[in-house]
Amino acid sequence: EAGVVQSPRYKIIEKKQPVAFWCNPISGHNTLYWYRQNLGQGPELLIRYENEEAVDDSQLPKDRFSAERLKGVDSTLKIQPAELGDSAVYLCASSEFWVTTGELFFGEGSRLTVL
Amino acid sequence: DQQVKQNSPSLSVQEGRISILNCDYTNSMFDYFLWYKKYPAEGPTFLISISSIKDKNEDGRFTVFLNKSAKHLSLHIVPSQPGDSAVYFCAASPSGTSYGKLTFGQGTILTVHP
Repeated sequence: EAGVVQSPRYKIIEKKQPVAFWCNPISGHNTLYWYRQNLGQGPELLIRYENEEAVDDSQLPKDRFSAERLKGVDSTLKIQPAELGDSAVYLCASSEFWVTTGELFFGEGSRLTVL
Repeated sequence: DQQVKQNSPSLSVQEGRISILNCDYTNSMFDYFLWYKKYPAEGPTFLISISSIKDKNEDGRFTVFLNKSAKHLSLHIVPSQPGDSAVYFCAASPSGTSYGKLTFGQGTILTVHP
């Protein structure tokens, strides 16, 4: 069974440029998460989707970040314009709808470097 | 405010010995606690979890202990193997509608020497 797929794996851009990350969750997983991991820190939740509905986006910096999950499957996370502090690894994760243990399946991440 | 803390940035042990990784939390609303393992250039992978109604959960060489009164949990790996060398993240999740909203610690780098 295929895991969570993310692209691109690495992205280097200059500040003020836009960038987008794509995620394809595990088949059948209704819940999708975007996390950001800064260097030396644990992942932090940005947004959580139940099917196509964003049910928790309290941590998403809405002035420059946006996300969508059309048709409740793939998801895209966009940053426009990027700032130096956005350099991080962006992790996508998915889980079954009624997971009660908090077990999430993570992709390999997209490493963003903003120059 | 860091709700989940791993105060040891790194741990080094000999192969065959026990590895003990520690984690403290502050939020009493956390209902599940998890450990994830992360290799370089890979995403975190789930290792083991424990519900707040239990004080111990065991899975092969891995055991997680929970002390609710102290708001402390630990991961024991016995015996440690070189392949266990990775970054270990402690995470906590509330129950109810916020399940899956994991709060992670900063991670502990475990190195197991042959």
